[in-house]
Amino acid sequence: AQSVTQLDSQVPVFEEAPVELRCNYSSSVSVYLFWYVQYPNQGLQLLLKYLSGSTLVKGINGFEAEFNKSQTSFHLRKPSVHISDTAEYFCAVRTTDSWGKLQFGAGTQVVVTP
Amino acid sequence: DVKVTQSSRYLVKRTGEKVFLECVQDMDHENMFWYRQDPGLGLRLIYFSYDVKMKEKGDIPEGYSVSREKKERFSLILESASTNQTSMYLCASRTGGGGSPLHFGNGTRLTVT
Repeated sequence: AQSVTQLDSQVPVFEEAPVELRCNYSSSVSVYLFWYVQYPNQGLQLLLKYLSGSTLVKGINGFEAEFNKSQTSFHLRKPSVHISDTAEYFCAVRTTDSWGKLQFGAGTQVVVTP
Repeated sequence: DVKVTQSSRYLVKRTGEKVFLECVQDMDHENMFWYRQDPGLGLRLIYFSYDVKMKEKGDIPEGYSVSREKKERFSLILESASTNQTSMYLCASRTGGGGSPLHFGNGTRLTVT
């Protein structure tokens, strides 16, 4: 079975500063990787996903993530955050040989202050 | 855009009550899921369904059951609600494709007193 670890439960950051959210996974087989965002009082929405190909993946709202197979990581980055990026971010993984069960990390709360 | 609608935003129920949480999606997705979300634990899968009348247990099915009589509707049932089932419940759907993402509803915050 696969597992996902988000290394930071909360990340405070100033507006216009860069942010990196760390995600590591473990799996004995190949995986698909996802980042979701949850704004206050809403469900989750997809930020970006890695299925195959280029290891640098660009998503919505200026976010990007890099898949590193040797380090089994999928860290999320944004070069300059806005107040509106305040949200909880979830990393998720599923193996390519399963039909659809996603394993989620515990989440990272990003708080952007002026 | 895919729309996943959960019938209630907030629910307050008493211990021992039977509780129904309803979820409807409008994009003809084959797969539907119920998760619960608790602080510090992320999302945990309760049950999922890959077709009408089909259901599979997720990671934490105890105390829950589900029903999928129509493709667009997936119901979560708490047979006898308990206080440890106080949580945020999220419904999601996706197509059957390998890398297709989940589409989530806005959640139902259930409080059991």
